[in-house]
Amino acid sequence: EVQLVESGEGLVQPGGSLRLSCAASGVTFRDYALHWVRQAPGKGLEFVSAITSNGDTTYYADSVKGRVTISRDNSKSTLYLQMGSLRVEDSAVYYCAVGQWLGRFDHWGQGTLVTVSS
Amino acid sequence: DIQMTQSPSSLSASVGDRVTVTCRTSQTIMTYLNWYQQIPGKAPKLLIYAASNLQSGVPSRFSGSGSETDFTLTISDLQPEDFATYYCQQSYDSPFTFGPGTKVDIK
Repeated sequence: EVQLVESGEGLVQPGGSLRLSCAASGVTFRDYALHWVRQAPGKGLEFVSAITSNGDTTYYADSVKGRVTISRDNSKSTLYLQMGSLRVEDSAVYYCAVGQWLGRFDHWGQGTLVTVSS
Repeated sequence: DIQMTQSPSSLSASVGDRVTVTCRTSQTIMTYLNWYQQIPGKAPKLLIYAASNLQSGVPSRFSGSGSETDFTLTISDLQPEDFATYYCQQSYDSPFTFGPGTKVDIK
């Protein structure tokens, strides 16, 4: 059974930083593309970032480009999202998702809440 | 960026009904279209990938069709556990955009 467990939830002030992690099990981690998707309270789903299986290529939504960095550690089966210059509009539940293909979200974590507020 | 629209934005249906949700993209994406179900308070779940392929473990009452810019999700024989919000999403090109969602609730 595939399990994805996000961590790094927190309340941060505007302009602050936060690092999210996503630990995977039950999956051959290095074979999968990895993604972050977020959902603001009461809103729809928004793609945030993706990284290829070998980590060579990364993708970002325009709304976060230049402020976040996605990375992966295949030896630890863990995905990361380093977020900086956080804005109130970045407040959301952040989900990690793995996919057999880039851009396909086969399995999702339970989500971790990021709140940006003064 | 590829823009996604869905219709309707919400619908009311009864158990046993056949429900159809439509998704349209701003440019052709061949069949790089996926459908997800989200129950309130839960993570989304992949139902259909590549427009018409049923994800493992998903009941056969769910089906998808379409190509290029027009796609459809059909739920035949609606069950109580199917009342949820459904999202289409394109995996043709980054950013991998989602539709705004269709909420299916109980009539």
